[in-house]
Amino acid sequence: GQQVMQIPQYQHVQEGEDFTTYCNSSTTLSNIQWYKQRPGGHPVFLIQLVKSGEVKKQKRLTFQFGEAKKNSSLHITATQTTDVGTYFCAWGTYKYIFGTGTRLKVLA
Amino acid sequence: EAGVVQSPRYKIIEKKQPVAFWCNPISGHNTLYWYLQNLGQGPELLIRYENEEAVDDSQLPKDRFSAERLKGVDSTLKIQPAELGDSAVYLCASSPGAFSGRSDTQYFGPGTRLTVL
Repeated sequence: GQQVMQIPQYQHVQEGEDFTTYCNSSTTLSNIQWYKQRPGGHPVFLIQLVKSGEVKKQKRLTFQFGEAKKNSSLHITATQTTDVGTYFCAWGTYKYIFGTGTRLKVLA
Repeated sequence: EAGVVQSPRYKIIEKKQPVAFWCNPISGHNTLYWYLQNLGQGPELLIRYENEEAVDDSQLPKDRFSAERLKGVDSTLKIQPAELGDSAVYLCASSPGAFSGRSDTQYFGPGTRLTVL
């Protein structure tokens, strides 16, 4: 069956450093969504990518969907303490499967 | 615009007791999801509704879990009887409805944290 791995599981960075999390699939994905969950909070939708090679930016966040639609990444430039949380990718159509998440800690 | 509302926020019960969670989705959203989230893991889908119809309940443990969405608006998720392993956060989410050609962006509620003793 379809397997999607999200890496790394944890990442500690110094404030101001960059951060990247990846979702890698064994099969082609129809689309991918990214969510952020703050500690003690609930997942909050960030973005959806649909097209091959798509790149979208939201301020310091850059989202990419691979050319083969088998991988995706979320990159944060110059992290801030407000970026702390767990970042999940989710894939599917109507029914979404969530990755295991990458927990980001930002050290001030 | 009001978000997804869930109640209660916290629930502590003893094993073998019943428990129910309530969700009020964003007004006008056709699709409603119930997820279970264990500590340190991503949400896992339990059931998805399109209006009042449960279109995907393959992950719902039907021997003890049940759900309903009367009139296609509010929804209730029930566990009877609860087991120790049911301790988790139960999240409700809604979306305008990709099934009907609208966006499938999911908006999550704050969740109900269940502790089974």
